[in-house]
Amino acid sequence: DAGVIQSPRHEVTEMGQEVTLRCKPISGHNSLFWYRQTMMRGLELLIYFNNNVPIDDSGMPEDRFSAKMPNASFSTLKIQPSEPRDSAVYFCASSPGSVAGYEQYFGPGTRLTVT
Amino acid sequence: GEDVEQSLFLSVREGDSSVINCTYTDSSSTYLYWYKQEPGAGLQLLTYIFSNMDMKQDQRLTVLLNKKDKHLSLRIADTQTGDSAIYFCAETAYSGNTPLVFGKGTRLSVIA
Repeated sequence: DAGVIQSPRHEVTEMGQEVTLRCKPISGHNSLFWYRQTMMRGLELLIYFNNNVPIDDSGMPEDRFSAKMPNASFSTLKIQPSEPRDSAVYFCASSPGSVAGYEQYFGPGTRLTVT
Repeated sequence: GEDVEQSLFLSVREGDSSVINCTYTDSSSTYLYWYKQEPGAGLQLLTYIFSNMDMKQDQRLTVLLNKKDKHLSLRIADTQTGDSAIYFCAETAYSGNTPLVFGKGTRLSVIA
């Protein structure tokens, strides 16, 4: 199995631009998670889906952030407009099983820099 | 809500044993995990322990669980420079729609 795939691996953009991060979970996994990691705040859970349905988005920092999962093999995290404080590494993870509490498998991350 | 606490830094000499500690608050925790994050990479599942176990050994890794004190530890025997990474403790009650709760991670530095 290829594991969780994220693209792009690096993104540099200017403040105010729209940014879209992409994730392909492991085939057959039912849950998908988006995290943000910074030195200051550590690893933060932004949102997670179960069977393509958003379950908890309470970690999404602001309305500028949105996430979708149109099918079982694809999810996006969009930031519009982006701000310098959004600079971080964004991870996608997927998990087997029918509930969210199973072990998670992480992608390599997208390093976002907003100037 | 549930909380998982770890010390932030640990430094050991190559060849020594490393012990990374973790405490958690959720008494209904069913599975406890250790993840490893190498520089520039995602978190990698290292090992896990079920709550009805006290110890689990996997090659150089030993996981100890004290359920009464809600204390989890990861021992790495014969620590190598390649073990330098951030180690995250995580717990779950394995039911419902509550995902894993992660600690902030312990940065292990191995000195040659």
